[in-house]
Amino acid sequence: GDSVTQMEGPVTLSEEAFLTINCTYTATGYPSLFWYVQYPGEGLQLLLKATKADDKGSNKGFEATYRKETTSFHLEKGSVQVSDSAVYFCAPLPRGSRLTFGEGTQLTVNP
Amino acid sequence: DAGVIQSPRHEVTEMGQEVTLRCKPISGHNSLFWYRQTMMRGLELLIYFNNNVPIDDSGMPEDRFSAKMPNASFSTLKIQPSEPRDSAVYFCASSDRGANVLTFGAGSRLTVL
Repeated sequence: GDSVTQMEGPVTLSEEAFLTINCTYTATGYPSLFWYVQYPGEGLQLLLKATKADDKGSNKGFEATYRKETTSFHLEKGSVQVSDSAVYFCAPLPRGSRLTFGEGTQLTVNP
Repeated sequence: DAGVIQSPRHEVTEMGQEVTLRCKPISGHNSLFWYRQTMMRGLELLIYFNNNVPIDDSGMPEDRFSAKMPNASFSTLKIQPSEPRDSAVYFCASSDRGANVLTFGAGSRLTVL
């Protein structure tokens, strides 16, 4: 069946550090891929997406590239800020199906 | 647009009481989803509707849970009777193209004593 594996948290970084959160998936066919972010006390919101192989999604300094050969969609940011502290969810969307959310990775950025 | 609106934001009730959570999706969105979030289980899809019709309710934990969508602008999730293990944050989300980009509400935090 369809599934997603995310890097376990929590992740704690200092401001301006480089961030990588790994995400790999198994899905039928070629799904669209999403990263959602949940700030404290809020619902999830879309961070970025990619709909086909080799696409790069980007937003707010975050990037993720759709890697078909490794079935991965790792999230990266070159220099994190305290305001990036949140929980990040990877979510593949197989065609004709519905979103499957990963377990979420808690990120804390210290000043 | 005000986004997806959920009420109440917080609910504290006693075991055995009925709980009703409400959701107003974004106008024009034709899909609506109810999720439950806990530390132990993470984010679980309970049920989703397309054009007000329930499509998949396989995530509803048991018969104590029921959801309705009487029209395109309103949905309810009811728990009767409630139990302490139902304590969680319940999110409603809507989308305009099946299960593509979801817009989430702020959630309803339920505590059952």
